[in-house]
Amino acid sequence: GESVGLHLPTLSVQEGDNSIINCAYSNSASDYFIWYKQESGKGPQFIIDIRSNMDKRQGQRVTVLLNKTVKHLSLQIAATQPGDSAVYFCAEFWASGTYKYIFGTGTRLKVLA
Amino acid sequence: GAVVSQHPSRVICKSGTSVKIECRSLDFQATTMFWYRQFPKQSLMLMATSNEGSKATYEQGVEKDKFLINHASLTLSTLTVTSAHPEDSSFYICSAREGDYTQYFGPGTRLTVL
Repeated sequence: GESVGLHLPTLSVQEGDNSIINCAYSNSASDYFIWYKQESGKGPQFIIDIRSNMDKRQGQRVTVLLNKTVKHLSLQIAATQPGDSAVYFCAEFWASGTYKYIFGTGTRLKVLA
Repeated sequence: GAVVSQHPSRVICKSGTSVKIECRSLDFQATTMFWYRQFPKQSLMLMATSNEGSKATYEQGVEKDKFLINHASLTLSTLTVTSAHPEDSSFYICSAREGDYTQYFGPGTRLTVL
C-alpha cells in the first residue's frame, strides 16, 4: 500500500502485480505531461508523455491517464518487475514563455519479490 | 532518444572553491538547456533556464552571482558554483530541450563540499 516516507511517498507492490502511481498537477493551462523514472544516483529517464488533448496513452507495459477535470495524472505499470523499482516523477509543461517543466514530488516504487 | 552528458559525474571540493559542471547535448543542438538541483529524497527544482547566446533566466530565490551559467554553443552549457559551501552540496542535473516540448536529461553531477 501507500505510505508517506521522509519526503517521498512509497508504493510497495508484489512482483507481477500492476502498479498505479498518481500525480496531481497544478496548472489547468498545462498542455503537456511527462512521466520520468529516476534510479538512485542517476538522471531522470523518460517513460511516456501525453498531450492535453488526449486522456489516455499506452506504451510498452505502461499507460498514462489524464483527467483534466480534477487535474490528475496517473501512470499504470503492468506486471511490475524488480527493475521497475525507482522513483517516479510526473512533470507538467508550463508554456509561459520559458518552456519549463514543473516536477511533482515523486513516488518511490518498491517491488517486492 | 537523444543523449545528454554531464561532466564530472562526481566532484568533491573544499569550501570556498569554485566548481564548474558541463552539460552537453551529444547528437542534437539545444538552444535551451535547463539546470536543476535535487536534494536527497526530494523532487527536481529548476534553478535556471540557459539560452544559447544570451543571459540565463534564474528562478526566484536562486542567486545568479552564486550559480554562473554560460551557454556558449548550441551543444554546451556550463554551471559554475562559485565559492561553494557545504550547503551547496547536492545533485545537479541538466536537461536540453529538443523541439517545443521534449527535454532530455543528463545523468547528474553529485557535488560534495567539505
